[in-house]
Amino acid sequence: GAVVSQHPSWVICKSGTSVKIECRSLDFQATTMFWYRQFPKQSLMLMATSNEGSKATYEQGVEKDKFLINHASLTLSTLTVTSAHPEDSSFYICSASGSSGLYNEQFFGPGTRLTVL
Amino acid sequence: KNQVEQSPQSLIILEGKNCTLQCNYTVSPFSNLRWYKQDTGRGPVSLTIMTFSENTKSNGRYTATLDADTKQSSLHITASQLSDSASYICVVSGQAGTALIFGKGTTLSVSS
Repeated sequence: GAVVSQHPSWVICKSGTSVKIECRSLDFQATTMFWYRQFPKQSLMLMATSNEGSKATYEQGVEKDKFLINHASLTLSTLTVTSAHPEDSSFYICSASGSSGLYNEQFFGPGTRLTVL
Repeated sequence: KNQVEQSPQSLIILEGKNCTLQCNYTVSPFSNLRWYKQDTGRGPVSLTIMTFSENTKSNGRYTATLDADTKQSSLHITASQLSDSASYICVVSGQAGTALIFGKGTTLSVSS
């Protein structure tokens, strides 16, 4: 199956700093990438959807100026958490979807654990 | 309102036993239903995907069923193993281009 990687797998940062998380589709071209956030014992919550070369579409309640998303190529999307605060501590997961396939399936990355001190 | 409800919330079974997880949804229109396995601290991994015309689909010891009329799905795990301990998430997709609707998952613990 298709492989999606994320980097870093975990990160600890100080409050007020910015953190960048990378999401890469390794063996297919991802026309659409999705960013999710998951709190402990909760389900995945979609934050935003990005299409290559276009501005990301953010879900209601997600601050686009705080969570900057760049989808510069068909294999790479980045999520930057700006001026991070402890409440931003969470598990961030990306997924990628290609332009073909019967189900237009999303392939998930392994996730990035962010801890803001 | 589009929703996906899963039951039970958590389940503990002995190694080697079978179990069945339930998923009810109200998503309409319906495109497909997926079951994912998510290990702690990892991203979800797809187990099965079914469209409305498919009643059952297997992936090794995992068998998913779908009743599009009653909007119910189940995931049956046969001869459970310790490595089956994880969260199992039911995800429903509406029409193309719409967001996936996630259930809250069932946490399965397999003990020896």
